Amino acid sequence: AQSVTQPDIHITVSEGASLELRCNYSYGATPYLFWYVQSPGQGLQLLLKYFSGDTLVQGIKGFEAEFKRSQSSFNLRKPSVHWSDAAEYFCAVAPISGGYNKLIFGAGTRLAVHP
Amino acid sequence: GAGVSQSPSNKVTEKGKDVELRCDPISGHTALYWYRQSLGQGLEFLIYFQGNSAPDKSGLPSDRFSAERTGGSVSTLTIQRTQQEDSAVYLCASEGGSTALGYTFGSGTRLTVV
Repeated sequence: AQSVTQPDIHITVSEGASLELRCNYSYGATPYLFWYVQSPGQGLQLLLKYFSGDTLVQGIKGFEAEFKRSQSSFNLRKPSVHWSDAAEYFCAVAPISGGYNKLIFGAGTRLAVHP
Repeated sequence: GAGVSQSPSNKVTEKGKDVELRCDPISGHTALYWYRQSLGQGLEFLIYFQGNSAPDKSGLPSDRFSAERTGGSVSTLTIQRTQQEDSAVYLCASEGGSTALGYTFGSGTRLTVV
């Protein structure tokens, strides 16, 4: 069965520090891969996505993610965190096929940012 | 509309009552999804609608849960005889061609069963 693992439930970083949020997936083939962010009281916003091509994907708000097939990972990174990045981050996968497929989400990583 | 709209934003109900949650997707989006987010949990898939096809109901946790989508647009998620474990944020999302495009989520309905 498809699954997504986000090993870190909570992460705290200082403002200006670099950030890496881990995501591993279990699936028979390379799926579509996504990162979403959820600010308190808000819905989920798409940060970036990968489905083919360059394994380093750029997203909004200065985030990037790297797909590593050998490790079944799709880790999210940001070189310098801002206080406004405090939120919950979700990794998600969907099988590659035509049309519509439900996303399978990880349990999320809650990011706190110290001033 | 410009985004996915959900109503109400908050709902407090007594155990045993029925509730209806509404989702108004982005105009023209043919796929609509409902997810549930319990406190401290990830997102749990509930149901999805794809155009005029039969919905995928595989994620509905019990027969107390049902959903419909009228005219290929607005969707209503109904929970009958609510239980305290139904307390969660119910999120709706739509997308308009392929999952590869990514979903657009609404802000959710926070349901509290007391």
